[in-house]
Amino acid sequence: SQQGEEDPQALSIQEGENATMNCSYKTSINNLQWYRQNSGRGLVHLILIRSNEREKHSGRLRVTLDTSKKSSSLLITASRAADTASYFCATVGRGSSNTGKLIFGQGTTLQVKP
Amino acid sequence: EAGVAQSPRYKIIEKRQSVAFWCNPISGHATLYWYQQILGQGPKLLIQFQNNGVVDDSQLPKDRFSAERLKGVDSTLKIQPAKLEDSAVYLCASSRGQGSNEQFFGPGTRLTVL
Repeated sequence: SQQGEEDPQALSIQEGENATMNCSYKTSINNLQWYRQNSGRGLVHLILIRSNEREKHSGRLRVTLDTSKKSSSLLITASRAADTASYFCATVGRGSSNTGKLIFGQGTTLQVKP
Repeated sequence: EAGVAQSPRYKIIEKRQSVAFWCNPISGHATLYWYQQILGQGPKLLIQFQNNGVVDDSQLPKDRFSAERLKGVDSTLKIQPAKLEDSAVYLCASSRGQGSNEQFFGPGTRLTVL
């Protein structure tokens, strides 16, 4: 079974607005990663946050991690139509730190309207 | 650098037929992964190679799926015989080594089993 659950399953916003996606997971992790998947394209790595980190930024992306609640959030600020995609969180379990095995959530589909 | 290459991009077969997918990872990447992504779900790891050795194949349906990575570079994933529930996108990914933080994904092969 997959590790994570993402919320919401689908999100529709206007260009310029912020988008927030949440991810919950079940077991202790080494790190948590967010990936983006455009229609017809492969997955692209966005950002990684380690279990001892609480917040991380990359451009318009902000990721938070709360290990006590086993949850993470991805915030995309000032969204653009090009941000339309599916977003997946993926975890590397503490027992999988040597192999880097990723377990993906179900994903959030984001639509940004021009 | 060139990305992960996969072929074919699309394949339609009848149930009980055989099919093979090919993957060429990024040059120098020691670790190669095959994922299955069913529509509406996140990718699920099928098998992970480190060079030409199998690291994890715990979720590979070994009665019908097989994979190899001869010479530690290219890899093939085979399904024989295919079932309707094998309809999915098969993603190949590579990373520099085990435990590496980021995986680089190919565009995937969309398989339809009729």
